[in-house]
Amino acid sequence: DQQVKQNSPSLSVQEGRISILNCDYTNSMFDYFLWYKKYPAEGPTFLISISSIKDKNEDGRFTVFLNKSAKHLSLHIVPSQPGDSAVYFCAATAYSGAGSYQLTFGKGTKLSVIP
Amino acid sequence: GAVVSQHPSRVICKSGTSVKIECRSLDFQATTMFWYRQFPKQSLMLMATSNEGSKATYEQGVEKDKFLINHASLTLSTLTVTSAHPEDSSFYICSARDLGASGGPSSYNEQFFGPGTRLTVL
Repeated sequence: DQQVKQNSPSLSVQEGRISILNCDYTNSMFDYFLWYKKYPAEGPTFLISISSIKDKNEDGRFTVFLNKSAKHLSLHIVPSQPGDSAVYFCAATAYSGAGSYQLTFGKGTKLSVIP
Repeated sequence: GAVVSQHPSRVICKSGTSVKIECRSLDFQATTMFWYRQFPKQSLMLMATSNEGSKATYEQGVEKDKFLINHASLTLSTLTVTSAHPEDSSFYICSARDLGASGGPSSYNEQFFGPGTRLTVL
């Protein structure tokens, strides 16, 4: 049962344009969401996060939008740069008891930014 | 940012042998380290959470006797795949959380991943 879904395995965008990566989730207990970026042969690195009490968080070229009613979040990258080409993982956390939080990942979306 | 290393990056072994994978936090201390497994075109799946000096907590469906985890220091955790079989072939990746990380879900902002280990069991 995939609780965090990234339905687009890949996305190609022209340099300078906007990249929009989408993520849907099914578990209503998720209350914190993160995006990670992964280059080949490297581990994922944290990119940006958003709490469920917000609907938008912005950090430079990266903005994450959260629509709780639709159980949907998206990552916008503006403007897209060739260095943004990577696999982007959406992840969500829910309290799992005893002070710990379970982190659940999506399958990832491979973004290719074309110069 | 903080650096987490894994060794080896790639290992090929025969069925029935054991393989040890090391995960080190290089420039910070980590009370908690996580081990994930990723099959092709699948999500990273949490296998276990290890806290320094205590037994690891395994996720449902993960055999603790097959995947031995040791977290003997604040900078090193090891995962040993015992009696490996071809179905254990996967990408294993660890992550570490800084000792100074705040509690709560936002601590995942301060979770740093290693580069992963590709295990192939023949």
